[in-house]
Amino acid sequence: AQSVTQLDSHVSVSEGTPVLLRCNYSSSYSPSLFWYVQHPNKGLQLLLKYTSAATLVKGINGFEAEFKKSETSFHLTKPSAHMSDAAEYFCVVRRNSGNTPLVFGKGTRLSVIA
Amino acid sequence: GAVVSQHPSWVICKSGTSVKIECRSLDFQATTMFWYRQFPKQSLMLMATSNEGSKATYEQGVEKDKFLINHASLTLSTLTVTSAHPEDSSFYICSANRDGETQYFGPGTRLLVL
Repeated sequence: AQSVTQLDSHVSVSEGTPVLLRCNYSSSYSPSLFWYVQHPNKGLQLLLKYTSAATLVKGINGFEAEFKKSETSFHLTKPSAHMSDAAEYFCVVRRNSGNTPLVFGKGTRLSVIA
Repeated sequence: GAVVSQHPSWVICKSGTSVKIECRSLDFQATTMFWYRQFPKQSLMLMATSNEGSKATYEQGVEKDKFLINHASLTLSTLTVTSAHPEDSSFYICSANRDGETQYFGPGTRLLVL
């Protein structure tokens, strides 16, 4: 079964410094991986997705993630944190191919300090 | 981008009553929608897969008689929490897949059962 493990429940960074949110996946085949962000009292927003094309995926708001098969990782990064980046981030894998449910990681709360 | 709406966004009800939550895909047709549940400070857990014109597929441990799902059209799925109890209080989120790859999430419905 497909699963993802987010290695940090909470990450705190200073504004203007790099962001690294870690995610490892487990999959019996080439997975589809996603990062979603959830701001307080708002819906989930897709940041980026990997679907077996380029291993370095660029998303919205300056975020990107690199799919590393050898490390079974899909870490999310951003060069410079902004206060508005403070939110909950979920690493997500599709359960199977096609139109199937998503399996969510436990989430990482990102705090940005001024 | 694709838009998924939910109604209501907030609902407070008395214990023992039933509550219906609507999920609509506003600019695309969705043969399959998904219902998730999120407890405070936790991740999303899949409850069921809603299939247009057929019965929903429930995850293990989810009571199908308590959480009734109806997917009567290609743009609407409803989740009815029957005989609600305080432990059913949660954040309910639906999603729909437009292009076979990306799931778009509704803004969620917060249910409080008194």
